[in-house]
Amino acid sequence: KAGVTQTPRYLIKTRGQQVTLSCSPISGHRSVSWYQQTPGQGLQFLFEYFSETQRNKGNFPGRFSGRQFSNSRSEMNVSTLELGDSALYLCASSLFIKGNTDTQYFGPGTRLTVL
Amino acid sequence: KQEVTQIPAALSVPEGENLVLNCSFTDSAIYNLQWFRQDPGKGLTSLLLIQSSQREQTSGRLNASLDKSSGRSTLYIAASQPGDSATYLCASDQTGANNLFFGTGTRLTVIP
Repeated sequence: KAGVTQTPRYLIKTRGQQVTLSCSPISGHRSVSWYQQTPGQGLQFLFEYFSETQRNKGNFPGRFSGRQFSNSRSEMNVSTLELGDSALYLCASSLFIKGNTDTQYFGPGTRLTVL
Repeated sequence: KQEVTQIPAALSVPEGENLVLNCSFTDSAIYNLQWFRQDPGKGLTSLLLIQSSQREQTSGRLNASLDKSSGRSTLYIAASQPGDSATYLCASDQTGANNLFFGTGTRLTVIP
């Protein structure tokens, strides 16, 4: 079974630009979560989608947005990039069967560098 | 807001040694507690997940315990190997909705 895939793996942008990152979950997984990892702040939760609906959102500005498609693939978008947005962006998927604790499977991440 | 702390930040041990990694959290109302490992430049790999009603979980040489009342979890690694070298992260799930609060991690180096 293929794991979680993220594209692109590496990205270089300049301040003020916008960027879209893509995540394809494991087949059959309906929950997709996004995390930002930086040396200073560690791993922080961005948002989580289930059945095309955002269920949870972390403490990030509105420049960070996302969506999920009917096939469970997810995208996140960052507008008006700032230097501080440079980070490893990780996507995780899980089955999420209600009432059952869930293991999240992480992709390799997209390394975003903002110049 | 949940705060998760891991001590020590880094640890070096000789091969074969048993070791314990510590994780503490401020809000004991957790849904589950999870341990991950992260290899350099890669994503996270799930190691163990302890539900709030459980006290411990085991997988091979790994054993994780959970004490909600004291806000602590430990990951015990038996007979460490060089391949265990990685950063180990603990994370709490407050709601069961895949919203994890991560600790800052412990970087483990196992010396051959």
